Amino acid sequence: KAGVTQTPRYLIKTRGQQVTLSCSPISGHRSVSWYQQTPGQGLQFLFEYFSETQRNKGNFPGRFSGRQFSNSRSEMNVSTLELGDSALYLCASSLAGGAYEQYFGPGTRLTVT
Amino acid sequence: AQRVTQPEKLLSVFKGAPVELKCNYSYSGSPELFWYVQYSRQRLQLLLRHISRESIKGFTADLNKGETSFHLKKPFAQEEDSAMYYCALSNQAGTALIFGKGTTLSVSS
Repeated sequence: KAGVTQTPRYLIKTRGQQVTLSCSPISGHRSVSWYQQTPGQGLQFLFEYFSETQRNKGNFPGRFSGRQFSNSRSEMNVSTLELGDSALYLCASSLAGGAYEQYFGPGTRLTVT
Repeated sequence: AQRVTQPEKLLSVFKGAPVELKCNYSYSGSPELFWYVQYSRQRLQLLLRHISRESIKGFTADLNKGETSFHLKKPFAQEEDSAMYYCALSNQAGTALIFGKGTTLSVSS
């Protein structure tokens, strides 16, 4: 079956702008998680959605938000971009959440200038 | 607080040598622990989870609750094992993975 897809793969934005990233999970998976990956901090959990409900949120400012649609596709939004938001954003899907095997997408590389 | 610590950023070994990637965790209760691996230009993928107690690609990991460790081991390293390895812990609600900062394993001939 098709893997997790993320669009776009690369993005360059200017400080102060906002951005929306998209994630399509594996068919049948109802949980979608988002992670930020940076060289300094590694992989940090952003939030998790299950059946359109946010079940958990990591320690990130309110500028980071997300949502999940009825078909389990998910989007995350970052408003008022800062230079420090430059990172690889990974989406992962699973049957039911963190304790289950997570299938990761290729990531969206966001560069803020 | 729930935390995963991987003390080594880089581990370099020769082909055929034993490998041990260290992972320590902080957690109240019974943890769900995983090892994820990222090969060059590939996606992050699950290597193994402690609850299944299986050996994948020759790797094993034993949960030691007394030492709060979940070290990854392989008796004889292969060059194709070169990758970034992440230890991860599921939070108590089972809704998030808490990752360590990862260890790069480099196996040379």
